[in-house]
Amino acid sequence: DAKTTQPNSMESNEEEPVHLPCNHSTISGTDYIHWYRQLPSQGPEYVIHGLTSNVNNRMASLAIAEDRKSSTLILHRATLRDAAVYYCILRGPWLRGATNKLIFGTGTLLAVQP
Amino acid sequence: DAGVTQSPTHLIKTRGQQVTLRCSPKSGHDTVSWYQQALGQGPQFIFQYYEEEERQRGNFPDRFSGHQFPNYSSELNVNALLLGDSALYLCASSLEQGNTEAFFGQGTRLTVV
Repeated sequence: DAKTTQPNSMESNEEEPVHLPCNHSTISGTDYIHWYRQLPSQGPEYVIHGLTSNVNNRMASLAIAEDRKSSTLILHRATLRDAAVYYCILRGPWLRGATNKLIFGTGTLLAVQP
Repeated sequence: DAGVTQSPTHLIKTRGQQVTLRCSPKSGHDTVSWYQQALGQGPQFIFQYYEEEERQRGNFPDRFSGHQFPNYSSELNVNALLLGDSALYLCASSLEQGNTEAFFGQGTRLTVV
């Protein structure tokens, strides 16, 4: 299973953009890049995922490097509710009968200051 | 839609006892995965159930077992509890088809004393 590397922690100020980096130098051509976050005392929740092109949704944007060896999760305006552990996860393509489990690292703990 | 529900939310057990944790998946989901999360760590995959069968198991001993029912709900059983089994146990549901997102419950906090 390909591995990801993230900083242990980051800090941001409220209402400022946040860029959360992830390195995945051993990514295979068919691996998707998924991001989940875990708010205090809750289970993880899906944020966004992509394969090659940059992706946007209501929660965040995902910028993927051209060589796909790194990616960045972008929160456009951090709020106090965005304080959480953010996990960058590589996930293979869907194959019938495959588990497609999520392999979590330790993630990045994002602190948001008012 | 209630999402993924887990019960109980908290549990205290004694070493050597057995425990059963329960999970109801999000409506329409047919696949249930269980994860163990120790303090300060990311969740670790225990196993996954689909069509009432265990499809894959992570690096966990046979003391950990599970079941999926025809309505897709699931149970996680842990026998001969050890102090090291103290953790947050998370259930995640998803659709078998497609590289779709997993939805997690809030977890069951198990403390073994």
